[in-house]
Amino acid sequence: DQQVKQNSPSLSVQEGRISILNCDYTNSMFDYFLWYKKYPAEGPTFLISISSIKDKNEDGRFTVFLNKSAKHLSLHIVPSQPGDSAVYFCAARDAGNMLTFGGGTRLMVKP
Amino acid sequence: GAGVSQSPSNKVTEKGKDVELRCDPISGHTALYWYRQSLGQGLEFLIYFQGNSAPDKSGLPSDRFSAERTGGSVSTLTIQRTQQEDSAVYLCASSSLEETQYFGPGTRLLVL
Repeated sequence: DQQVKQNSPSLSVQEGRISILNCDYTNSMFDYFLWYKKYPAEGPTFLISISSIKDKNEDGRFTVFLNKSAKHLSLHIVPSQPGDSAVYFCAARDAGNMLTFGGGTRLMVKP
Repeated sequence: GAGVSQSPSNKVTEKGKDVELRCDPISGHTALYWYRQSLGQGLEFLIYFQGNSAPDKSGLPSDRFSAERTGGSVSTLTIQRTQQEDSAVYLCASSSLEETQYFGPGTRLLVL
C-alpha cells in the first residue's frame, strides 16, 4: 500500500502561470515533508520542506502548503519558468529519518 | 565541500553477472541511503546506514542484493547474479542526523 501518492503523473503549464503539484499521504506519523526536483540523468535535488507543525513554507517562487487534517500537501510554483520542467517527487519523513517517496509528477512548462 | 558522488555513472552487464556500485557520501554525514528508480517508477528505498548501528535492510528486494559501508564513509551496493528486472537507476543519498538527504547523480544499470 502506497503511503505517499502523487496522483498526477504529469502536468503542463504555460510559462508565467502557477504550477500546483499535489501529494497525499496516509501515515499520520510522518513529521516532515520534502519536495525534490529531478532532471533527466541527474539525482534528485532538494527543493523545499515543511514541518508537520506548520501549514505553509515559502522560498522565493516556491511555496509548500500542508493540510494535516486532509493528509495533503501541495507545491506551488509561481511564476512558472521553462527551467522548472522536471519530475517533482514528494517525500515524507518518519521519526527514524526514513523517507517515503511518491511516484513523481512530470512538470512541463511551455514557453 | 563536494556533494555525494557515485560510480560508475553507467553500467551495462550481462544477466547472471555480479555488479558493484559505489557511493561516496558528503564528508561528515553519518547517514547513508540507497534507493532505486526503475523506469517510470518512483524512488524505492533499499537500505539505510546510520553511524555504527546495524543497517536497515528492509527495502532490499532479494538476497542477491547486499551493501556495506566501510569506516562509516564509502558504501558499496552489490547485486549478485543480476537479472533484467534489476535494470534501474541506483541512487545514493547522505545526511546528517535528522537533516535533509542529499542525493548523488545515480548509477544507471542496464542488465542485458
